[in-house]
Amino acid sequence: KQEVTQIPAALSVPEGENLVLNCSFTDSAIYNLQWFRQDPGKGLTSLLLIQSSQREQTSGRLNASLDKSSGRSTLYIAASQPGDSATYLCAAMDSNYQLIWGAGTKLIIKP
Amino acid sequence: EAQVTQNPRYLITVTGKKLTVTCSQNMNHEYMSWYRQDPGLGLRQIYYSMNVEVTDKGDVPEGYKVSRKEKRNFPLILESPSPNQTSLYFCASRGGRRSDTDTQYFGPGTRLTVL
Repeated sequence: KQEVTQIPAALSVPEGENLVLNCSFTDSAIYNLQWFRQDPGKGLTSLLLIQSSQREQTSGRLNASLDKSSGRSTLYIAASQPGDSATYLCAAMDSNYQLIWGAGTKLIIKP
Repeated sequence: EAQVTQNPRYLITVTGKKLTVTCSQNMNHEYMSWYRQDPGLGLRQIYYSMNVEVTDKGDVPEGYKVSRKEKRNFPLILESPSPNQTSLYFCASRGGRRSDTDTQYFGPGTRLTVL
């Protein structure tokens, strides 16, 4: 059964730093890998979706990569800002077209 | 505006009193899903629906019911709520039921407390 893991559970960095969030999955048979953002008390917002045939996707200061062979995805955030503070979740779409979720990384950007 | 709406946003109830959380999307999406989110456990899928009149169990379906009579609505029903169903609930939808390119849209969440 697919398992998705996000390490670390929490991360605190000064404003302006570049940072990387990690996501690993146990079964490489995925249709896509998605990254979401969740603000406290709010719903989830989609950030990036990487199809299984793709290696990376970019949106503004965000870049997500996918390496199916090693079971890893990373979310790179450039020039971090206090407004980037949130919980970031990754999810892998399994062979039944269902999303399997990681527990998230809580990111705090210190001004 | 494209959105998923849930009602109510907050609900405090007592054990055994039947309740329904409504979910509606205005994007003509085929796929809809319910999740619960608990500290330390992350997002867990309760039920999902690939299309009208088609529903399937997720990872934690016990104690819940759903129906999909119309494409836009996917209510979550707790026939006899118990304290262990106290949680934050999210409804979500996406365009294609078997799509690897469609992202998932989430409602704002319903915080349920069962006393």
